[in-house]
Amino acid sequence: QLVLTQSPSASASLGASVKLTCTLSSQYSTYAIAWHQQQPEKGPRYLMRVNSDGSHKKGDGIPDRFSGSSSGAERYLTISGLQSEDEADYYCQTWGTGIRVVFGGGTTLTVL
Amino acid sequence: EVQLVQSGAEVKKTGESLKISCKVSGYSFSTFWIAWVRQMPVKGLEWMGIIYPGDSDTRYSPSFQGQVTISADKSTNTAYLQWSSLKASDTAIYYCARLQDDGDYVGYWGQGTLVTVSS
Repeated sequence: QLVLTQSPSASASLGASVKLTCTLSSQYSTYAIAWHQQQPEKGPRYLMRVNSDGSHKKGDGIPDRFSGSSSGAERYLTISGLQSEDEADYYCQTWGTGIRVVFGGGTTLTVL
Repeated sequence: EVQLVQSGAEVKKTGESLKISCKVSGYSFSTFWIAWVRQMPVKGLEWMGIIYPGDSDTRYSPSFQGQVTISADKSTNTAYLQWSSLKASDTAIYYCARLQDDGDYVGYWGQGTLVTVSS
């Protein structure tokens, strides 16, 4: 079954870097995923697509301090130079035949 | 500029029907899948279903099959999500979203429609 697993929470200090992880179920380890950010009381925003080779394609206007990478079944979102507005929920999303769209449970990022 | 503009918040009673909308602009409506996504209070994102407006091909998540109806009107570039009989558990924010052409991932989101259902 195509499942995405995310840690429920993460925290990092203002100005620091943080790496969020999204893990694909093992038989789907070559799948690409997308990252979405949801700031408090706002709708989600597409950040980037991350492929199994680590290449990524960002959405319009996404700052350079957001980047994506991959290792095996894990897909990462790294945020450098953390700012207060980066405090948000981050969701990964993938897709497959049959179940067309799958979301991870989300990670709540706290900026200290 | 791609835009998805959703209809306003709704307050309904259990058992009532409802149809919410998502009007798109800035791209060819017929050639991209549109998804509907539910977010219950203080919860994560759940995929409900998708529609291809070009031919109205529609796919539902098993969790929502038979519970809602997704449709699209090419003449007005608008997608719809409707319920025939609302339940209190339908209280949530509903987002429409456009999938990309290189994979079924969301590239653009609507602003969301809050649906509140009470008895």
